[in-house]
Amino acid sequence: GNSVTQMEGPVTLSEEAFLTINCTYTATGYPSLFWYVQYPGEGLQLLLKATKADDKGSNKGFEATYRKETTSFHLEKGSVQVSDSAVYFCALGGEYNNNDMRFGAGTRLTVKP
Amino acid sequence: DTGVSQDPRHKITKRGQNVTFRCDPISEHNRLYWYRQTLGQGPEFLTYFQNEAQLEKSRLLSDRFSAERPKGSFSTLEIQRTEQGDSAMYLCASSLGQDSYEQYFGPGTRLTVT
Repeated sequence: GNSVTQMEGPVTLSEEAFLTINCTYTATGYPSLFWYVQYPGEGLQLLLKATKADDKGSNKGFEATYRKETTSFHLEKGSVQVSDSAVYFCALGGEYNNNDMRFGAGTRLTVKP
Repeated sequence: DTGVSQDPRHKITKRGQNVTFRCDPISEHNRLYWYRQTLGQGPEFLTYFQNEAQLEKSRLLSDRFSAERPKGSFSTLEIQRTEQGDSAMYLCASSLGQDSYEQYFGPGTRLTVT
């Protein structure tokens, strides 16, 4: 079945550093891909999405490109801020539809001033 | 719009007891989802509803788990004869439309089984 594997954390960066969190997937068909973020004490919220190959999702300075050839959807940000400290989850839709979401284990990011 | 709400936020119960959690989705959302999240893991899909119809329930963890959404608004998740392994965060999410990709999550109910 569909699944994602994401980079293990925790990740600790200094403010303004470049961020990459790796995510690779195994899928039947062409599911949509997502990054969700969970800030301390808050619920999961959608950060960005891509619905087909070569699509680039972007939001709040974060970007990820749906790469079919490498089955990847890596999250990047050019200059992180302390406020980006959170847990980031890569996810994809299930075999039949996007209602059956599959999440990675999450990567905790801490940004230090 | 108050977002997705869940009640209670925390529940401590003894092994063997039944528990029920409630989820109130965003009011105009017709789809509602339940997930379980254990420590250090991402959410694990359990079931979902479109309006009052439960369209997928094969991923419920055992026959001790059941969910309802009788009027197509709020939903309940019940766990019968709880076990220590049921201790986890139970998340609810909702979305709008047939092909909506954005699920809005509630804060979760943390269950501890002693």
